Amino acid sequence: LAKTTQPISMDSYEGQEVNITCSHNNIATNDYITWYQQFPSQGPRFIIQGYKTKVTNEVASLFIPADRKSSTLSLPRVSLSDTAVYYCLVGDSSNSGGYQKVTFGTGTKLQVIP
Amino acid sequence: SQTIHQWPATLVQPVGSPLSLECTVEGTSNPNLYWYRQAAGRGLQLLFYSVGIGQISSEVPQNLSASRPQDRQFILSSKKLLLSDSGFYLCAWTASSTVHYEQYFGPGTRLTVT
Repeated sequence: LAKTTQPISMDSYEGQEVNITCSHNNIATNDYITWYQQFPSQGPRFIIQGYKTKVTNEVASLFIPADRKSSTLSLPRVSLSDTAVYYCLVGDSSNSGGYQKVTFGTGTKLQVIP
Repeated sequence: SQTIHQWPATLVQPVGSPLSLECTVEGTSNPNLYWYRQAAGRGLQLLFYSVGIGQISSEVPQNLSASRPQDRQFILSSKKLLLSDSGFYLCAWTASSTVHYEQYFGPGTRLTVT
């Protein structure tokens, strides 16, 4: 099983770029890396997903080095509304029958400061 | 478009009482379905997942059970609630055809066991 490790918490001032790194040393060849955002009392929301190199969308960028043992979620110019918990997930396809069992870790609590 | 519903939104139950939480998905067929629990200030704990009607996999042995009587319906139950069952219960789905682990979460049920 591919496990992930990410910082428990981070603080950032408004307007700064925030980079959250996730380690996944045992990532498998077919695994994708997915990041979610969760606000209090809401379910997690998909942000971005990638396999290698760089992926960018209107919300964030995801940087994945060649060895894929880590990934970095980059949030440009954060605002107070970006205060949330961010989860890094690596696809788990270890079960037979094509089960999609996805394991969430504890995430990184990002606090944006005015 | 796809929509996921959960009810009730909040629930206060005494210890020892039964529980039934329901989740339904609209706009897709044969989804993979998941139940998660999140204790206050904690990460998500996968409880059950299902790849089809009547197919349930349990991640955590405890006094909870799950059933999938219809393709897009997922039910979480308990015969006797414990104080430790308090938490935020989230249902999620993924398309069975994807291997990219993009999950969509419902609004959640806040359960307080007293």
